[in-house]
Amino acid sequence: GQSLEQPSEVTAVEGAIVQINCTYQTSGFYGLSWYQQHDGGAPTFLSYNALDGLEETGRFSSFLSRSDSYGYLLLQELQMKDSASYFCAVRDGTSGTYKYIFGTGTRLKVLA
Amino acid sequence: DSGVTQTPKHLITATGQRVTLRCSPRSGDLSVYWYQQSLDQGLQFLIHYYNGEERAKGNILERFSAQQFPDLHSELNLSSLELGDSALYFCASSSLAGGDNNEQFFGPGTRLTVL
Repeated sequence: GQSLEQPSEVTAVEGAIVQINCTYQTSGFYGLSWYQQHDGGAPTFLSYNALDGLEETGRFSSFLSRSDSYGYLLLQELQMKDSASYFCAVRDGTSGTYKYIFGTGTRLKVLA
Repeated sequence: DSGVTQTPKHLITATGQRVTLRCSPRSGDLSVYWYQQSLDQGLQFLIHYYNGEERAKGNILERFSAQQFPDLHSELNLSSLELGDSALYFCASSSLAGGDNNEQFFGPGTRLTVL
């Protein structure tokens, strides 16, 4: 079946770098997205990788390795406001159609 | 503010009832997606509409249905409600028909409580 795995929780200190991994099991893979969700808020789009390699957007970078079915989100210069849940998501194209699958999320705690 | 609006913000109802959740996409967006998020859970994809037509269907129960109207707003209808349907329901929109860049803009959500 289709699934995404990511750690449930990660803790880091302000100013540090943290990496949130995501492994996926799908077929008909279209790309890997990352979303941030603060408690009580709506998810907001962070990045999308369709091809292997690193995409950088400010303090956030995202990496994809299609051969390894693996990706990660890298957050640099952590700030308190980065404390949130981070979801990886794929657009999975099996069964002749597609659907969007989200991981269960990684709760990031940034400590002062 | 993503530009996606959802009404109502909160909804409390009883088991067996039927409710309708409404979503207005960002101006110019043709795609609307519905998701369910239960407490401390990830997002479960329900359904995707593009310009009035159903494009993809996820784990949507038969008791649930949706449609997208000519003005592009969408409604999610939930019937024969059960306690387990209590969740946050998000609507998202995008300009693409589920294309390569999967950037979706999420509304604030409707919190449904079934008693």
